[in-house]
Amino acid sequence: SAVISQKPSRDICQRGTSLTIQCQVDSQVTMMFWYRQQPGQSLTLIATANQGSEATYESGFVIDKFPISRPNLTFSTLTVSNMSPEDSSIYLCSVAEGRGGLTEAFFGQGTRLTVV
Amino acid sequence: SQKIEQNSEALNIQEGKTATLTCNYTNYSPAYLQWYRQDPGRGPVFLLLIRENEKEKRKERLKVTFDTTLKQSLFHITASQPADSATYLCALARKNTGFQKLVFGTGTRLLVSP
Repeated sequence: SAVISQKPSRDICQRGTSLTIQCQVDSQVTMMFWYRQQPGQSLTLIATANQGSEATYESGFVIDKFPISRPNLTFSTLTVSNMSPEDSSIYLCSVAEGRGGLTEAFFGQGTRLTVV
Repeated sequence: SQKIEQNSEALNIQEGKTATLTCNYTNYSPAYLQWYRQDPGRGPVFLLLIRENEKEKRKERLKVTFDTTLKQSLFHITASQPADSATYLCALARKNTGFQKLVFGTGTRLLVSP
């Protein structure tokens, strides 16, 4: 199973600023995923980060707001840009391991972001 | 519209009883369904996976059923313990999409009292 380290674990930021969240995996993985979990809500997939290509964003999420880097097979960053209080949420990095076409997802501990 | 629904109200049970959590979905054709446990301030942890052609899967005190006709999965914890208190999420892997893309329910919080 993959071990994922995510940092920072939490932050309080001023509106209008940006925060970059880092995700380090202990093994090489093809795809990494970024989720958002708003209070009392489900996990919502923001984008899939592929090494060597542009990230693929889900409906409602755009690259200008959530730029993603994937410089190698063990690391990715998500930036939350020009933050507003509505961006206050938990952001989670995830990888998936497949066995026979089935997927088991592993998550970092999350970054709890509060925008004031 | 597509929905994955879990009971938003917390489930309170007594230690030693069986906890049963429900996951209902609409307008999905899942290849398989998973259950995760999430503790406060932590990311979800994978528990069990059940394929569309499986009716039941067990792992220690955990049991999952999957009824594709009813579009429902039930998650059971037998002989529950206070340490089982957490939020439990179901997740679907949709067919005809990248197999690693999961869609999560909102989760149900389980509280097991001593």
